Amino acid sequence: DQQVKQNSPSLSVQEGRISILNCDYTNSMFDYFLWYKKYPAEGPTFLISISSIKDKNEDGRFTVFLNKSAKHLSLHIVPSQPGDSAVYFCAASKHFGNEKLTFGTGTRLTIIP
Amino acid sequence: DGGITQSPKYLFRKEGQNVTLSCEQNLNHDAMYWYRQDPGQGLRLIYYSQIVNDFQKGDIAEGYSVSREKKESFPLTVTSAQKNPTAFYLCASSTGGTDTQYFGPGTRLTVL
Repeated sequence: DQQVKQNSPSLSVQEGRISILNCDYTNSMFDYFLWYKKYPAEGPTFLISISSIKDKNEDGRFTVFLNKSAKHLSLHIVPSQPGDSAVYFCAASKHFGNEKLTFGTGTRLTIIP
Repeated sequence: DGGITQSPKYLFRKEGQNVTLSCEQNLNHDAMYWYRQDPGQGLRLIYYSQIVNDFQKGDIAEGYSVSREKKESFPLTVTSAQKNPTAFYLCASSTGGTDTQYFGPGTRLTVL
């Protein structure tokens, strides 16, 4: 039972444009969400997070939006740069501080120069 | 430099042998985790430890064992009971009370 879903395995975006990566979840107990970026043969690096009390969090070129009623979150990257080409994972946890994360299957983002 | 180290980067073992993967952190984090990643799949939790001398099974613990004798170290043993051990193994740590986990560079284990 996949509780965190990333339905797009891959996405290609022109350099300078906006990249939008989507993530859906089924467990209404999730209240903290994170995005990680991963290059091949390396560990994921933390990008940005959002708690369920907010609907938006911004950090530089990265913005995460949370729609609790739809159980949907998205990561916006603008403008997209070649170095953004990587696999992006969303993750969720129940009860902030629980520390167990459930990961999605990832979306491979390719930025076209 | 603070961080999480995993060694070695690549590991080859014969079928039927146990193998231990190393994970060390100098971030003074209380919690440590082991995940495995397979092609086309997300990260799946094997074991985690929120404090020294204590650990819990994750979603796919069968065929694995861990120990947490020191705060800095959380080694993972892949036993011969693990049916499909070939995978990319990732170790992570987090400070208590936060869910943001920080990952090591990973170890790719290939069982021949």
